[in-house]
Amino acid sequence: SQQGEEDPQALSIQEGENATMNCSYKTSINNLQWYRQNSGRGLVHLILIRSNEREKHSGRLRVTLDTSKKSSSLLITASRAADTASYFCATVSLLIQGAQKLVFGQGTRLTINP
Amino acid sequence: DAGITQSPRHKVTETGTPVTLRCHQTENHRYMYWYRQDPGHGLRLIHYSYGVKDTDKGEVSDGYSVSRSKTEDFLLTLESATSSQTSVYFCAIRGQGNNSPLHFGNGTRLTVT
Repeated sequence: SQQGEEDPQALSIQEGENATMNCSYKTSINNLQWYRQNSGRGLVHLILIRSNEREKHSGRLRVTLDTSKKSSSLLITASRAADTASYFCATVSLLIQGAQKLVFGQGTRLTINP
Repeated sequence: DAGITQSPRHKVTETGTPVTLRCHQTENHRYMYWYRQDPGHGLRLIHYSYGVKDTDKGEVSDGYSVSRSKTEDFLLTLESATSSQTSVYFCAIRGQGNNSPLHFGNGTRLTVT
């Protein structure tokens, strides 16, 4: 089963509004990452937050992490049509020889309406 | 985009035939991964590699094998394709360091008829 679960599964907002997506996970993590996927393309890394961090910013993105609740949120401010995509959280666990296993949730489909 | 190329981009094959998907990187990254993406299941790890000739199984490895004879190439083989292996397959690479992210290819859409 997937470690991360995003909520909501789909979100439709007007251009210029803020979009918030949530992610819950089940086990302890090394870090948590957010990715974006445009239709027909591979996933693109957006931001990483370490387990000892509570909040991180990157441009119009703000990520929070609450390890006590095993949850994270991704906020996109002042949304644009180009932000239309699916967004995935991924929890990271360590494998052998420094390899990492990323476990992805099923994603939130974000639609920005003009 | 990171230097990662998947081939072919699309393939239709018949049940029971072997299929090989190729992932090629120009970043000299140590770690390479194969994921499949299916509606309702998200992305699931099939196999991964932590060096030349060093590979290990992921969570959905049954029916798949991999090989990595060179740093830049990671091959995924479906030994005898089944309809349940119809999916979109993504290769990803990662550099050294605990906080290095994954860089994904654009995927191979495989249909098994």
